[in-house]
Amino acid sequence: DAGVIQSPRHEVTEMGQEVTLRCKPISGHDYLFWYRQTMMRGLELLIYFNNNVPIDDSGMPEDRFSAKMPNASFSTLKIQPSEPRDSAVYFCASRSGNTEAFFGQGTRLTVV
Amino acid sequence: AQTVTQSQPEMSVQEAETVTLSCTYDTSESNYYLFWYKQPPSRQMILVIRQEAYKQQNATENRFSVNFQKAAKSFSLKISDSQLGDTAMYFCAFSRFKAGGSEKLVFGKGMKLTVNP
Repeated sequence: DAGVIQSPRHEVTEMGQEVTLRCKPISGHDYLFWYRQTMMRGLELLIYFNNNVPIDDSGMPEDRFSAKMPNASFSTLKIQPSEPRDSAVYFCASRSGNTEAFFGQGTRLTVV
Repeated sequence: AQTVTQSQPEMSVQEAETVTLSCTYDTSESNYYLFWYKQPPSRQMILVIRQEAYKQQNATENRFSVNFQKAAKSFSLKISDSQLGDTAMYFCAFSRFKAGGSEKLVFGKGMKLTVNP
């Protein structure tokens, strides 16, 4: 397996624009996690899914953020409208059972 | 709620020396998993080692070993014979055990390790 695949690797956008981050989990993994990493707050869990169903979205900062998982092989994290304080690295990870979580390469988002 | 604390934000060590990274956690669970992840400048999160709470024996992976003290809720990582490639951010993480399923990982703030030549 190619591992968890995220796109794009880098995204620069203007404030107010919509941003969509994409993730393809490892085949067979039934849990998918979205994390955000900043210097100030470290790695924060935004939301996670089990079998495509959102389980816990309490980490989603506000209504501007939304996440979907239409099928077992694809998930999106959308920010609309984006703000400079959303600038961070966003990671997607997948997991099966009590093994470790496997992370994608992350998307570095810069909102100017 | 579970919390993970890494109290040392930064450390440095000379190549070939041994270094220990500390981590404490807080939980009321009796069965759980602990992990150390490494994040080099490439940004990739890489698993270093994992420990199951029900196992008394400390996990080891080549030059990496842990000192798991369940009663003290402490989980330190020892890196022996440090190499330049060990330079990275290191994150301690906690996950509750879930039968037949999975749980989220809760991370500490991380610690920057620099290995000097």
